[in-house]
Amino acid sequence: GAVVSQHPSRVICKSGTSVKIECRSLDFQATTMFWYRQFPKKSLMLMATSNEGSKATYEQGVEKDKFLINHASLTLSTLTVTSAHPEDSSFYICSARVRGGRGNTIYFGEGSWLTVV
Amino acid sequence: AQTVTQSQPEMSVQEAETVTLSCTYDTSESDYYLFWYKQPPSRQMILVIRQEAYKQQNATENRFSVNFQKAAKSFSLKISDSQLGDAAMYFCAYRRSQGGSEKLVFGKGTKLTVNP
Repeated sequence: GAVVSQHPSRVICKSGTSVKIECRSLDFQATTMFWYRQFPKKSLMLMATSNEGSKATYEQGVEKDKFLINHASLTLSTLTVTSAHPEDSSFYICSARVRGGRGNTIYFGEGSWLTVV
Repeated sequence: AQTVTQSQPEMSVQEAETVTLSCTYDTSESDYYLFWYKQPPSRQMILVIRQEAYKQQNATENRFSVNFQKAAKSFSLKISDSQLGDAAMYFCAYRRSQGGSEKLVFGKGTKLTVNP
C-alpha cells in the first residue's frame, strides 16, 4: 500500500528555536496533505490543509506564523514550528491524499514527537 | 459543521469474543465517507475499514464489519473473534466526498482493551 514517511520521528529542541518536520509520500503523488496535532490521550486535531503550489489553509485558532507549512512538491510537505515553546511539545502527524481518483484514500505518516525544553 | 461522536471512552472485551464500538455523526451532506482508524501504542494511524454513504451494503474487512445506518447517522464497528493485537485506540472519522474541504473529522476515540 501507499507509504507516507515523516521525519524526524522524535526531536528535542531548545525553547526559542525552530524545528522542521517533513512529510513525504514515498510511492504516490499527493496534491493535498494534512497536518494534525495530538495531545496525550486525545483525538487528532487538524491544524492545516496543505495544497501543492499554494498557501496552506489553517484551522481556526492555529497561528499560521508559528506553524509554517510548505507544500513544495507533490511528494513533500513540511511543518516548521517557529520560536518553539514547551507548550508546543506534542505529537504531530501528517496525512496525504492520493492524487486522482475519487480520493477516498488518505494515508497517515508515522508521526513525530516534538519536545521543547 | 460536521461532528463525530464516540460515546464510549473505553471498552473491554475478552479474547475471541465480539465487541461493538459506537459512532454517531451529524451532517447535512448526502454523499460522504466514514472511516474507522486504529491507533496502537506506536501511534501509527491504521485504516481499519471505510464506508461510502451511497452504498447501502455494510462494509466488511475480515473480522471487522460495520453497521451503517444512514438515516440514524450511526456507524458502529464490530470486531469479531477479538485478538490481543486489536487492543488500541479506535477513531471514527467523517469526510465529505467532494468539494470544499476534504479533511477528516475525528471522534474523540474509544480505547479498546482485549483481555486474555
